[in-house]
Amino acid sequence: AQSVTQLDSQVPVFEEAPVELRCNYSSSVSVYLFWYVQYPNQGLQLLLKYLSGSTLVKSINGFEAEFNKSQTSFHLRKPSVHISDTAEYFCAVRTAGNTPLVFGKGTRLSVIA
Amino acid sequence: KAGVTQTPRYLIKTRGQQVTLSCSPISGHRSVSWYQQTPGQGLQFLFEYFSETQRNKGNFPGRFSGRQFSNSRSEMNVSTLELGDSALYLCASSLEGTGSGELFFGEGSRLTVL
Repeated sequence: AQSVTQLDSQVPVFEEAPVELRCNYSSSVSVYLFWYVQYPNQGLQLLLKYLSGSTLVKSINGFEAEFNKSQTSFHLRKPSVHISDTAEYFCAVRTAGNTPLVFGKGTRLSVIA
Repeated sequence: KAGVTQTPRYLIKTRGQQVTLSCSPISGHRSVSWYQQTPGQGLQFLFEYFSETQRNKGNFPGRFSGRQFSNSRSEMNVSTLELGDSALYLCASSLEGTGSGELFFGEGSRLTVL
């Protein structure tokens, strides 16, 4: 069965600084990878996803993530964060077929003015 | 297009009671998944329904059950509530619920057990 490890539970960062949220997964088969974001008192929203093709995927608000098969990682990065990026970020993995989406425990990103 | 709707948004129960939560998926979506979110455990998969059939089940006791209706709306029930059942219960829908399919989440039902 697949699993997801988010190495940092909390990441504080100053506004306009770069950030990296780390995610490692374990699976013996091909995977689909997702990053979701959860703002306070809201549900989860898809930020970006890797299905196939280019290993670098980008979101519309400046985040990007790179699929690294050899290191089984899918780290999320942003070169310059804003206050509005303060939220909890969840990495998730799924295999082909009728399998559930498995989430990491989340990383709380706090952007400091 | 309306999103995933969960009711009620907030509820308070006491130990031993039971609770039913409702989820209306996005129109046309046939798969509904339920997750329990707690600060210590993150999101844990409860079960998934597709075309009224339970297709996947997580590692939760039998007190947790669910069902899906012909219009794809889903309900989950927790019987004999325990303090540890206090959590945010999230419902998510998708077209097919497989592989690369994106899950669309509702805002959740926050259950407090006293």
